[in-house]
Amino acid sequence: EAGVAQSPRYKIIEKRQSVAFWCNPISGHATLYWYQQILGQGPKLLIQFQNNGVVDDSQLPKDRFSAERLKGVDSTLKIQPAKLEDSAVYLCASSPFPREPNEKLFFGSGTQLSVL
Amino acid sequence: GEDVEQSLFLSVREGDSSVINCTYTDSSSTYLYWYKQEPGAGLQLLTYIFSNMDMKQDQRLTVLLNKKDKHLSLRIADTQTGDSAIYFCAERAGNNRKLIWGLGTSLAVNP
Repeated sequence: EAGVAQSPRYKIIEKRQSVAFWCNPISGHATLYWYQQILGQGPKLLIQFQNNGVVDDSQLPKDRFSAERLKGVDSTLKIQPAKLEDSAVYLCASSPFPREPNEKLFFGSGTQLSVL
Repeated sequence: GEDVEQSLFLSVREGDSSVINCTYTDSSSTYLYWYKQEPGAGLQLLTYIFSNMDMKQDQRLTVLLNKKDKHLSLRIADTQTGDSAIYFCAERAGNNRKLIWGLGTSLAVNP
């Protein structure tokens, strides 16, 4: 079974530039998450999709971050414009059972973003 | 509020047992999880325990849950260099059943 695919693996940009990340979840997984992991911290949920609808985006900085999941499969996360504090690893995860007590998340390898 | 705390670092010798500890605050937690993150990789679910259990064993891994003290531990028997990673404790808590994550414990295994 193929895992969660993310690209690019690394990205270096200057502040105020734009950047986009792509995620392809495990086939058949209806739920998709984007997490931000700053160095030395645990993952912070940015947004959760159920199929192509947003379930939770309460911690997404909507003035600069946006995400979409067209057709309920692949997803893109965009930052425009980027700030220095956005430097982090952006992790995509998917699961077959949203927020069920025994839900297991499957993570991609992440995109490491450096904003200079 | 909901909070999960872990010690930040642990160093053990190869072949010894490792014990990684976690405390949480939400008494309504249903499931508690241990995830492993190797350098440059995403998080991988290691094991989880339902809140009405005290212990769960899976090969070299033993999870102990003390619900009264809100304390969770992960014991890795016969620790190998390949176990070197960051281990995250997470709880599923609250009415919205969000995952609450700890900051992670960095385990270093010395030959």
